[in-house]
Amino acid sequence: GDSVTQMEGPVTLSEEAFLTINCTYTATGYPSLFWYVQYPGEGLQLLLKATKADDKGSNKGFEATYRKETTSFHLEKGSVQVSDSAVYFCALSSNTGRRALTFGSGTRLQVQP
Amino acid sequence: NAGVTQTPKFQVLKTGQSMTLQCAQDMNHEYMSWYRQDPGMGLRLIHYSVGAGITDQGEVPNGYNVSRSTTEDFPLRLLSAAPSQTSVYFCASTKGGIENSPLHFGNGTRLTVT
Repeated sequence: GDSVTQMEGPVTLSEEAFLTINCTYTATGYPSLFWYVQYPGEGLQLLLKATKADDKGSNKGFEATYRKETTSFHLEKGSVQVSDSAVYFCALSSNTGRRALTFGSGTRLQVQP
Repeated sequence: NAGVTQTPKFQVLKTGQSMTLQCAQDMNHEYMSWYRQDPGMGLRLIHYSVGAGITDQGEVPNGYNVSRSTTEDFPLRLLSAAPSQTSVYFCASTKGGIENSPLHFGNGTRLTVT
């Protein structure tokens, strides 16, 4: 079945540091890939997405590129801010079978001033 | 613009009690779903619905029932609560296919079963 593997956290960075959160996936067919972010006390919200190989999703300075050859969708940001502290979830939507997203376990990011 | 509203925010139950978690959306979304979030396990799908009168099971449906009598509401029922159901529950909705449309999440219900 479909699965998503994320690096374990927490990831602790200083403000303005470079961020990478790794995400790899296993899926049948050609899934769409997503990054969702969860701020404290809130539900998840979509950060960015990519729907086909080599697509790059971007939003709020975050980027991720859909790499089919390595089945990866790593999240990057060049300069993090304290306000980026949150839990980040990688997810996929397979185009076969159940209509649902498969989520990774989440990576907590803590940015210190 | 309320979006997805979940009630209650917090709930404590004793083993064997029943309760209903409420979810309502005002965006005319056809698709609604329930996830549970457990530490180290991400979000797992419990049940989902692609429209009024249509529901289907997700990854972890046992111990939960759902119904969808209106487009707006998608309640989740726990028939006989167990400690293993201690979790944070999220309702989410979207219009159209989830491959292209973002899921809109509620703020969650934190349930503790003692």
